[in-house]
Amino acid sequence: KNEVEQSPQNLTAQEGEFITINCSYSVGISALHWLQQHPGGGIVSLFTLSSGKKKHGRLIATINIQEKHSSLHITASHPRDSAVYICAVRRGATNKLIFGTGTLLAVQP
Amino acid sequence: DVKVTQSSRYLVKRTGEKVFLECVQDMDHENMFWYRQDPGLGLRLIYFSYDVKMKEKGDIPEGYSVSREKKERFSLILESASTNQTSMYLCASRPRDRAYRSGNTVYFGEGSWLTVV
Repeated sequence: KNEVEQSPQNLTAQEGEFITINCSYSVGISALHWLQQHPGGGIVSLFTLSSGKKKHGRLIATINIQEKHSSLHITASHPRDSAVYICAVRRGATNKLIFGTGTLLAVQP
Repeated sequence: DVKVTQSSRYLVKRTGEKVFLECVQDMDHENMFWYRQDPGLGLRLIYFSYDVKMKEKGDIPEGYSVSREKKERFSLILESASTNQTSMYLCASRPRDRAYRSGNTVYFGEGSWLTVV
């Protein structure tokens, strides 16, 4: 079993829909990252969380440390949100990140 | 803005060639990382460095080496490229944790697509 599990693996939504991507992990962490990767490869860090909730524009990320679970929400989705969203956790004080396999999101106009 | 720059976006190399992938960051970060990304396998850590001349093996170091002679530059070296090293390579950097601030924010480069034929 992977230490970081994401769901769903693939998601198709209509423009304007509210989207939720989930991440569960099984190890102790010092931080959780939500990353966005567009076709072409480059990765952008959306959020770094160690507790609570963060919001940036139409994106909201939450984390529940006790339940070892995080969610990424996109409100009023738009075709430009189409990308792969990756959850990654930093294990304790180590330098290593453990990555989920990503969620491929397609937002149709 | 933090910038992590990978020198080559697309490379095609022959089997047996020596390949250098260069990564430069402009934020004085102590930690730098090289990952490869393959379909169905996600991102896997090849090597990381936590200071100049310091390096540690990641999860898949076989067939690779690294060099960190200057703080801003971290090079990935394929001594003798093989077709199973065809992949997308990503560099990342992160500041060191300090007493007053965790160094958790990680910054990635644009990726280098390597094809070995």
